[in-house]
Parts: sequence; C-alpha cells; structure tokens
Amino acid sequence: AQTVTQSQPEMSVQEAETVTLSCTYDTSESDYYLFWYKQPPSRQMILVIRQEAYKQQNATENRFSVNFQKAAKSFSLKISDSQLGDAAMYFCAYRRIAYSGAGSYQLTFGKGTKLSVIP
Amino acid sequence: EPEVTQTPSHQVTQMGQEVILRCVPISNHLYFYWYRQILGQKVEFLVSFYNNEISEKSEIFDDQFSVERPDGSNFTLKIRSTKLEDSAMYFCASSWDRGKQYFGPGTRLTVT
Repeated sequence: AQTVTQSQPEMSVQEAETVTLSCTYDTSESDYYLFWYKQPPSRQMILVIRQEAYKQQNATENRFSVNFQKAAKSFSLKISDSQLGDAAMYFCAYRRIAYSGAGSYQLTFGKGTKLSVIP
Repeated sequence: EPEVTQTPSHQVTQMGQEVILRCVPISNHLYFYWYRQILGQKVEFLVSFYNNEISEKSEIFDDQFSVERPDGSNFTLKIRSTKLEDSAMYFCASSWDRGKQYFGPGTRLTVT
C-alpha cells in the first residue's frame, strides 16, 4: 500500500520569504502522480501543483515549485515570495497510474502541514 | 473555469437518520470520487465511480454507504443510518481522465 508522510505538522514564514514543505512517500510503482493541495480555512481543496513521476523536470506554477527526488521518494513544495493568502493547510498526495481498465485513481493524502504567514 | 459544486454546505442530522449529499461534477468529466476528512485529520478516499459503477472503494465505504448518478449531472453519496463518527467534511471530486482531480467545496456533516 502507498503511504504519504508529511513530517512537519506546522510551519511559519515571513511574508515575502521562501518556505519549503516536505513530503515523502512509499510506493513500489515506477510511474505515478504526485500533487500538492492547499486547503484554506474555507476547507476547500485547491490543486496547487502536479508532478508526473516519469518527468525528470520539476513542476513549477508561478511562485510554487517542487523538488522531486524519485530515488529518495521525496516531493517537497517551495513557495517563493510568500503572501498572506498562502496561509493554509497543505496536503501532499499520491496517485498511481493504472493503464488498464477503470483502475484505481484514488488519491492518498498525507496528514498535512499547516502554514502560517507572518506579516 | 468550471467548478465542482456540492450541496448542502452544512448538514446537521440525528444519529440513525439517512442523509444524501449531493455533488454536481464538471460536465464533461467521466470519473467521480468521494473523500472525507474528519476534523483535524487527513483526507481519506471513500469511493470512485466510472461508467455508472463503483470502480474502487475503501474499507470505510461499508454497507451503510451508497453512491448514485441518478441523472446526467448529479452524483450523490447516501449514508443510510448515520453514526456520530460519520461527522466529517465530505468532498466530491471529478476528473476528465486519470489525471487531475477537481474538488468541490465540501459538505460539512454533523451527526448529533
């Protein structure tokens, strides 16, 4: 079974600074997706960034980028120029890729990291 | 941008009652999911649905749960006889393919 571990329950960052959130995972699959989701106080789940395991290039979305280390099974999220609106719970998630049939597309989530942004 | 919608935003029910949580996935999506999040805990997968049938379910999704796509737009989660421990945020999600899942805003279920 796949597991996702986020070892930092809480983090804080000064506004305009950079912060990195850690995530490790365990899988026997060679191909899969990894995601970071943001959950603000409204509790809606918002996709921040996605990484395909077969791509060596790290995904980036504006101020958000990942450091994907496949051999180490590590997938960290870097937020640059942090803004007050970045304050939220951040969840790392894993999904296997099933190439035949309907398969299983469920997301496996970590426990989350609560990010606070200090003005 | 199209969104997944869920109703109601908050549902309060008494233990033993049946509840139906409703979701309208993004219109051209083919894969549908329910997840739940007990307060302070991680999001957990409940069930996935494709081609009008359940494609996978977790051990949480026992006989008291059922899902349905009664028409071309709605996707519902029914809990037959609610328990206190069913109190959680329930998220619906949909995807066009096996990739990105779009989440709805959630329904907060409180069982008293």
